[in-house]
Amino acid sequence: AQRVTQPEKLLSVFKGAPVELKCNYSYSGSPELFWYVQYSRQRLQLLLRHISRESIKGFTADLNKGETSFHLKKPFAQEEDSAMYYCALRGAGSYQLTFGKGTKLSVIP
Amino acid sequence: DGGITQSPKYLFRKEGQNVTLSCEQNLNHDAMYWYRQDPGQGLRLIYYSQIVNDFQKGDIAEGYSVSREKKESFPLTVTSAQKNPTAFYLCASTPTGYSGNTIYFGEGSWLTVV
Repeated sequence: AQRVTQPEKLLSVFKGAPVELKCNYSYSGSPELFWYVQYSRQRLQLLLRHISRESIKGFTADLNKGETSFHLKKPFAQEEDSAMYYCALRGAGSYQLTFGKGTKLSVIP
Repeated sequence: DGGITQSPKYLFRKEGQNVTLSCEQNLNHDAMYWYRQDPGQGLRLIYYSQIVNDFQKGDIAEGYSVSREKKESFPLTVTSAQKNPTAFYLCASTPTGYSGNTIYFGEGSWLTVV
């Protein structure tokens, strides 16, 4: 079975402070990991995926297979980063995408 | 305008009635999904379909049914057997092949059972 854990329901940081949204996963094979974001009144959208090793809106995430983690990081939080963030996992060769429960990020001006 | 369209956006039904939520996509995507989103629960997979005339149960399929007669359509029926049907339902789709492909979401449907 595949499982995604986001331990924080809510994370509040001040503008300009570093942000780290935690994500741990459980999967026996080779996973694909994603971060999705949902801004207020908007549909869920992809933020980044581990295979691309990209940085979107200043966010990065590194897959750590030893710790089975895929934490999302940003060095300086902006007010527009306030949103709901979901970590998601898909097993290699699978269409089934499993989401964590989400973390609400609130950036305080 | 390409994308995923869910309808209706808001739906009220009496307890004991079946209700069908529509999901249509014009992205030519093979795979389609239904998720349920509850506060504090994140997104939970109800059903998914990789190709036409085929679908698989997700984590919370009990009380739901789906069909995939056409590539572009994946309707979800919430039956009277579903104990807590009031929720926000999200439909999604993804292109052929799965390595690194992103999943695209609809705007969602709010179902309230009274």
